[in-house]
Amino acid sequence: AQKVTQAQTEISVVEKEDVTLDCVYETRDTTYYLFWYKQPPSGELVFLIRRNSFDEQNEISGRYSWNFQKSTSSFNFTITASQVVDSAVYFCALRGAGAGSYQLTFGKGTKLSVIP
Amino acid sequence: DAGVTQSPTHLIKTRGQHVTLRCSPISGHKSVSWYQQVLGQGPQFIFQYYEKEERGRGNFPDRFSARQFPNYSSELNVNALLLGDSALYLCASSLAPRDNYGYTFGSGTRLTVV
Repeated sequence: AQKVTQAQTEISVVEKEDVTLDCVYETRDTTYYLFWYKQPPSGELVFLIRRNSFDEQNEISGRYSWNFQKSTSSFNFTITASQVVDSAVYFCALRGAGAGSYQLTFGKGTKLSVIP
Repeated sequence: DAGVTQSPTHLIKTRGQHVTLRCSPISGHKSVSWYQQVLGQGPQFIFQYYEKEERGRGNFPDRFSARQFPNYSSELNVNALLLGDSALYLCASSLAPRDNYGYTFGSGTRLTVV
């Protein structure tokens, strides 16, 4: 069975602060994919990043960065110099690579509030 | 290009009724997945369809069913509605069932069962 844990239910930061959203996962698959999605109040899930299990290189995209550590089964997401527009619920998700692995398993999400 | 479109956006139904939710994928995408998101929780997988065939099914009762049409649009049907079926129903489209470039989600249909 696959499981994704996002221990932080809600986080509030003041604008321009850095914030890290934690994600810990469990899977028996040797190959798997990790995702982060952003869900603004409008409801749709906006794709942010995908990471393969065999690629542990960290990634930076503008103010966003992701730290993948296979040894601790974590895939954390950092927003640098947060902005009010970053306020949303963020979901970490996992998908196996084996036959029949069609579904994304999501964590419960972390609600981020950026205060001006 | 239009994104994933879902209809209706909001719906109120009474317990015991039936509901049909619709999804049109991005042009060129042949796979559609359905997820249920209860308030305060992450989305949970219901179904995935590819080329009109069911490719995956989550842990949902038989009251939930779906189908995909030749134009790759999809319908999710829920019979004998329960209060617990109140949720945001999200549709996601992708090129293939295991598209490693992510799934594009629609804005969802918010279903309220009273």
